Amino acid sequence: GENVEQHPSTLSVQEGDSAVIKCTYSDSASNYFPWYKQELGKGPQLIIDIRSNVGEKKDQRIAVTLNKTAKHFSLHITETQPEDSAVYFCAARSNTGFQKLVFGTGTRLLVSP
Amino acid sequence: NAGVMQNPRHLVRRRGQEARLRCSPMKGHSHVYWYRQLPEEGLKFMVYLQKENIIDESGMPKERFSAEFPKEGPSILRIQQVVRGDSAAYFCASSLTGYNEQFFGPGTRLTVL
Repeated sequence: GENVEQHPSTLSVQEGDSAVIKCTYSDSASNYFPWYKQELGKGPQLIIDIRSNVGEKKDQRIAVTLNKTAKHFSLHITETQPEDSAVYFCAARSNTGFQKLVFGTGTRLLVSP
Repeated sequence: NAGVMQNPRHLVRRRGQEARLRCSPMKGHSHVYWYRQLPEEGLKFMVYLQKENIIDESGMPKERFSAEFPKEGPSILRIQQVVRGDSAAYFCASSLTGYNEQFFGPGTRLTVL
């Protein structure tokens, strides 16, 4: 089955810096890759996603890149702000079988003012 | 424009009791997924349901756990004879179809004493 690895587990940056979180997946049949932000005591919030027919997607300060050959995808946050502090999860979904998401183990991002 | 709703938000049970967790999907969504999150870990898929049907229960423990999504009313995740290891946050997500984005609820935090 699918396995998703995520790095780093923690990331500390200064306000205004960029942050990059990387994930790798194992199932070459995976074709959908969402990113979720989870704040303390809350449910995961979808912030951006990408499908396998696209190499990059941007939404204001957030971008995601996908390398299908290497089976890895990354989240890029530019001009970080303290309110970006949260745990970020990547996930992958295969186009075979059913529609479950397989999640990475999360990255705790801390943005210091 | 209510999102995914879950109740209760917090549930305390003693070992051996039953826990019932409820999930109301977003308006118009007929696909529901349950995930479990242990402390400091990522989310693990449990079960995927469509109205009145279980589509994939590959992540659900074989004993004590069951799920349903009746024609009318919320989806229910039921845990019988709870044990301390069942203590976790349980999240429900919904989607318009099996190929669309999954939106998560705020979760139910189950504590087993």
